[in-house]
Parts: sequence; C-alpha cells; structure tokens
Amino acid sequence: EPEVTQTPSHQVTQMGQEVILRCVPISNHLYFYWYRQILGQKVEFLVSFYNNEISEKSEIFDDQFSVERPDGSNFTLKIRSTKLEDSAMYFCASSRSGIGDTQYFGPGTRLTVL
Amino acid sequence: AQKVTQAQTEISVVEKEDVTLDCVYETRDTTYYLFWYKQPPSGELVFLIRRNSFDEQNEISGRYSWNFQKSTSSFNFTITASQVVDSAVYFCALSDPMNSGYSTLTFGKGTMLLVSP
Repeated sequence: EPEVTQTPSHQVTQMGQEVILRCVPISNHLYFYWYRQILGQKVEFLVSFYNNEISEKSEIFDDQFSVERPDGSNFTLKIRSTKLEDSAMYFCASSRSGIGDTQYFGPGTRLTVL
Repeated sequence: AQKVTQAQTEISVVEKEDVTLDCVYETRDTTYYLFWYKQPPSGELVFLIRRNSFDEQNEISGRYSWNFQKSTSSFNFTITASQVVDSAVYFCALSDPMNSGYSTLTFGKGTMLLVSP
C-alpha cells in the first residue's frame, strides 16, 4: 500500500541553524501538507501546497519557514533559523484532491533544537 | 474558541471492555468533514475514518464504530472488546473549508487510551 515517507526520522540541530525536512508524498496525490506536533500537544496545521505553490498557511508558518517541491517526488520544509520552540514532531501529509479529502500522514520527523 | 473538543484527556480500561471516545465539533459550514486518526506509541498518525456532513449513517468497521450526530455536533468513536494494541492517542479532526480553509485539518487535543491486560 502506498505511503508517505519522511526523512530523517530524527534531526538534532543547534539554535540558529537551517534545517530541511524531507517528504515523499504518495505518488498520485496532488496536495501536500505540513503539520507539527509539539510534545504532548495537538497536531497543528502549518501549510498546504498545490500546483507548485502554497495554497494556505497558518500563523505559525512565518518567514522562517518555506516549502518546496524540488522535483517530481520530494516535498521539503525548510526552517531558516531554528529556535528552541521549533522543537516538535513535523508531519508531512498528502491527499489526492483538496477539499475534505483524506490526508495520509508520514511517520514524522522529530526535530530537536538545542 | 476550540473547534474540536475531546474532553477526555485519558481513559484507562481493561482488555475486552468497550470504550467510547467523545468528539464535539463546532462549525458554521454546512459542508464539512470529520476524521479520526490514531497515534500509537511509535508516533505516526494513522487514518481511521472520514465522514462528510451529509452522511449521518453510523459506520462499523470490525471492532470500531462511529456515531455521527449533527444535532449535537458530535462524532463519537467506540471500540468494542478493546485490546492492548488499541492503546494509543486518538485524535478527532475537522475540515470545514469555508471557515478554516480548503485544506486545513483542525485537530482536537486527543484522548489517550490505555488498555491493560
């Protein structure tokens, strides 16, 4: 069964460093998403991406964040200058269509900022 | 205002007990979608069910069943004859396109279910 994959599973970085989290969505899906989950808290929407551009973003997704689909398979989230409060689990998700369609999540990347 | 409320933070049951996880949502949309996801201790988010606002029929899948009631804005999840492998955090989520955006999932805070042998 197709699934969303994410690399790395765990990333440790120093405050102020740039990180890139990678995702490979399900191959016939057209909509891609990033969510984050701070430890012990609920899952929060960051951004959605369709047709090579951001379709929606939350207040969390400020100028420190960017997303890209550099090729036909990868979808990346870049955090330009990490802060301690960026420590969280980051989930990538994809769906075949947009409105209300099921979003399938990857296993997550745990980001630890020291 | 919280749009998806899962009032039960943690539930503990003994194997073979039935358990119901509550979810109450809030939206002004007439078209919206509700979901349940399971997050086992390994951390991934596993999709369980999707329901649109026009389909109030209850659903059963093996030991899992869902009760959608628009009149009370609730979408409750029942596990029958619980097993240790059901131990996880369960999240209810809402997609209400006109209100929150076309692709945003709004999650509740989750209910941790602990099933002991």
